[in-house]
Amino acid sequence: GDSVTQMEGPVTLSEEAFLTINCTYTATGYPSLFWYVQYPGEGLQLLLKATKADDKGSNKGFEATYRKETTSFHLEKGSVQVSDSAVYFCALRGGNTGKLIFGQGTTLQVKP
Amino acid sequence: NAGVTQTPKFQVLKTGQSMTLQCAQDMNHNSMYWYRQDPGMGLRLIYYSASEGTTDKGEVPNGYNVSRLNKREFSLRLESAAPSQTSVYFCASSSGRGGPRTATRETQYFGPGTRLLVL
Repeated sequence: GDSVTQMEGPVTLSEEAFLTINCTYTATGYPSLFWYVQYPGEGLQLLLKATKADDKGSNKGFEATYRKETTSFHLEKGSVQVSDSAVYFCALRGGNTGKLIFGQGTTLQVKP
Repeated sequence: NAGVTQTPKFQVLKTGQSMTLQCAQDMNHNSMYWYRQDPGMGLRLIYYSASEGTTDKGEVPNGYNVSRLNKREFSLRLESAAPSQTSVYFCASSSGRGGPRTATRETQYFGPGTRLLVL
């Protein structure tokens, strides 16, 4: 079945460092790919998405490119801030049911 | 426009007790979902409702029931709570208007979550 694998956390970075959170997926057909962010004590918020191969999703300085050849959707940001500290979830949505399949989440902690 | 709301925010139950988690959305969405979030496991789908009047099992439905009361509301019921149901529960909704061909591209909007502790 469909699945999503994220890099293990937690990830600890200093402010203004470069961020990469790896995400790879297994799916049949042509899924859409998403990154959600969960700030402490809050629900999940959509960060960005890409619906077809080679699409780049971007928001708030974060980017991710849908790479079908490597089945990846890695999240990147050039300069992280303390306010980016959160849990990041990679997810895919495919097939006729539209159900979201989540990765296990990666905790990011940014220190001043 | 409140989006997706959930009640209660936090609940403590004893084993064997029952309770209902409430979810409502004001975005006129057709599809609604219930997930549970456990450490190291991401979110797992419990039940979903593609449209008013329909419900289907997700990945982990055992021990739960749902009711799609109307287009706005989708409740999750634990008839006899167990410690294994200690978790954070999230409700979500999506447009669901385009049918299967566009469902994969739709964004799901999440509520703030209900933290449940079963002793």
